Amino acid sequence: DIQMTQSPASLSASLEEVVTITCKASQGIDDYLSWYQQKPGKSPQLLIYDATNLADGVPSRFSGSRSGTQFSLKIRRPQVDDSGIYYCLQSFSTPWTFGGGTKLEL
Amino acid sequence: QVQMKETGPGLVQTTQTLSVACTVSRFSLSSYGVHWIRQAPGKGLDWLGVIWGDGNTNYNSALISRLTISWDPSKSQVFLTMNSLHTDDTAVYYCAGNNSPRIWYVLDAWGQGASVTVSS
Repeated sequence: DIQMTQSPASLSASLEEVVTITCKASQGIDDYLSWYQQKPGKSPQLLIYDATNLADGVPSRFSGSRSGTQFSLKIRRPQVDDSGIYYCLQSFSTPWTFGGGTKLEL
Repeated sequence: QVQMKETGPGLVQTTQTLSVACTVSRFSLSSYGVHWIRQAPGKGLDWLGVIWGDGNTNYNSALISRLTISWDPSKSQVFLTMNSLHTDDTAVYYCAGNNSPRIWYVLDAWGQGASVTVSS
């Protein structure tokens, strides 16, 4: 199975920062990496797919990048509404696997 | 937009079998995959498995002996069955899929989740 190591587990950020969350895959997954945001009591929502493509309706302050098997989610000038838990998901091969999640507080 | 809704028993006993149904709308089961994901209280997301549009299935390696995903396309329903329940199977169980066949490998449609408590 492909392991997804996500870091940090939690972070507190200010509204002026650039927040960076990373996921490292245990083997190559091409660009089959997506990012999700989950707010308390709610279902996860897709933010980014194909490592770098913004999902419909997602603000442009969110972006994704890839370097080899390491993937990053960046939030530029985060808003209070961006608080929540963020997960990466690899869908290169089954079983699909999620990262452990990053709790973001603003 | 695709809609998905889970229906579960709420409370089940240890050693029993769990069955959760996912009813989908605006979505052809023969065209897309339907995935099951669970989330234990205060924990992360755990991918359980998928039934693809051709009826083939794939499962979480650690749970494969306990899981079965099946479907009834005539009723637009997909079913998750998990046997030999433990208390640590207590979780919210989600079904998920996607709105576009072009990006079949992402999950952009989620149900609201079915909360399941396993109690002895």
